[in-house]
Amino acid sequence: EVRLEESGGGLVQPGGSLRLSCAASGFIVSDNYMIWVRQAPGRGLEWVSIIYSGGRTYYADSVKGRFTISRDNSRNTLSLQMNSLRAEDTAVYYCASPDCSPTRCPSLGFDIWGQGTMVTVSS
Amino acid sequence: QSVLTQPPSVSAAAGLKVTISCSGSSSNIGGNYVSWYQQLPGTAPKLLIYDNNKRPSGIPDRFSGSKSGTSATLGITGLQTGDEADYYCGTWDNSLSGGGYVFGTGTKVTVL
Repeated sequence: EVRLEESGGGLVQPGGSLRLSCAASGFIVSDNYMIWVRQAPGRGLEWVSIIYSGGRTYYADSVKGRFTISRDNSRNTLSLQMNSLRAEDTAVYYCASPDCSPTRCPSLGFDIWGQGTMVTVSS
Repeated sequence: QSVLTQPPSVSAAAGLKVTISCSGSSSNIGGNYVSWYQQLPGTAPKLLIYDNNKRPSGIPDRFSGSKSGTSATLGITGLQTGDEADYYCGTWDNSLSGGGYVFGTGTKVTVL
């Protein structure tokens, strides 16, 4: 069974840092593109960052220069290092990945989602 | 503010059909594949449609997707109370600095 599980969320003061992890099982994180998506309370989905299998990364303007997406292939884990956190970064953070097979791989469609981890930035 | 515009809400009686539009531009929908997601309250999003009109395994054929020009549409037939959720379109946008993924503004479906 393919599965993603986020961890690392919590309460942090403005200006602080937090590192989110997303542990994958049933597939290899480096084989596919993967993203981080966030959802502020009562709001819609907002894309945060993406990493492609070749290592290329992209970021939303709202987090560029503050957040870093990375993979740890030895632990089969995706990470999001978040620095200089602001109140507006408060949200549930999800990691997601396509469920690819030799015969089928969505073009930027995400089948597998974690349960989400809550990040609260407040003094 | 998202670059993909969806109606805030749609509703219909059980058993009937609803359609949800997703309006974009040539830099996003016009040049890239569109996906659709369903988000039930308090849960993670679920992929309903990818590559404009394909359904993942396990998604009933009551859900359909289409794309024309710079707009995409999600259709839900035989509406059920379990379909009450928020729905989002998503695609790549080439015009964002370096490129980036974008979600629509979201549509709440209510079954009357």
